[in-house]
Amino acid sequence: AQSVAQPEDQVNVAEGNPLTVKCTYSVSGNPYLFWYVQYPNRGLQFLLKYITGDNLVKGSYGFEAEFNKSQTSFHLKKPSALVSDSALYFCAVSPDNFNKFYFGSGTKLNVKP
Amino acid sequence: GAGVSQSPRYKVAKRGQDVALRCDPISGHVSLFWYQQALGQGPEFLTYFQNEAQLDKSGLPSDRFFAERPEGSVSTLKIQRTQQEDSAVYLCASSLMDAGNTEAFFGQGTRLTVV
Repeated sequence: AQSVAQPEDQVNVAEGNPLTVKCTYSVSGNPYLFWYVQYPNRGLQFLLKYITGDNLVKGSYGFEAEFNKSQTSFHLKKPSALVSDSALYFCAVSPDNFNKFYFGSGTKLNVKP
Repeated sequence: GAGVSQSPRYKVAKRGQDVALRCDPISGHVSLFWYQQALGQGPEFLTYFQNEAQLDKSGLPSDRFFAERPEGSVSTLKIQRTQQEDSAVYLCASSLMDAGNTEAFFGQGTRLTVV
């Protein structure tokens, strides 16, 4: 069975500080992992993905994520947060045929000036 | 436009009314997905099409929900005899689904409110 857990409903960080949004997953088979961001009244926007290869994946807007197989985690990170990063972030996992995405419950990121 | 387009953006239906939600995927995208997102929750899978073939409908909550994609492009999600628990945002996504392009691109969604 495939599932995704985002243990934090909300993350608060000051502008300029590093941020981490946590994600752990459970899959049968190879994990294909994604991060999406959702701004108010906007659709989900793709940030980055891990399919294979380097465990550190870089994506849009300076975000990156590290795939850790032993800890079954795919935490989203950014070295220096911006106020404009404030949004709802979703982690997702897909089986290897990519015909379904399982989403976590989301983490609200608040970046304060 | 270049993105996934959904219409209407907002729909208010009286309980028992039938509704139809439309999705125009990105041109050339083989895969099309429908998701349901309740308030404060992550999107939940409803159904998946590869071209015109509905390959997975395991997420449809009841037989009141029906989706089609007859020509492998535009898709319609139909909900019959709407109930209050159907109130949610319905998201459509499409994907190229080739080796380097596995991510799905989402529309803005249709917010359905059943009163």
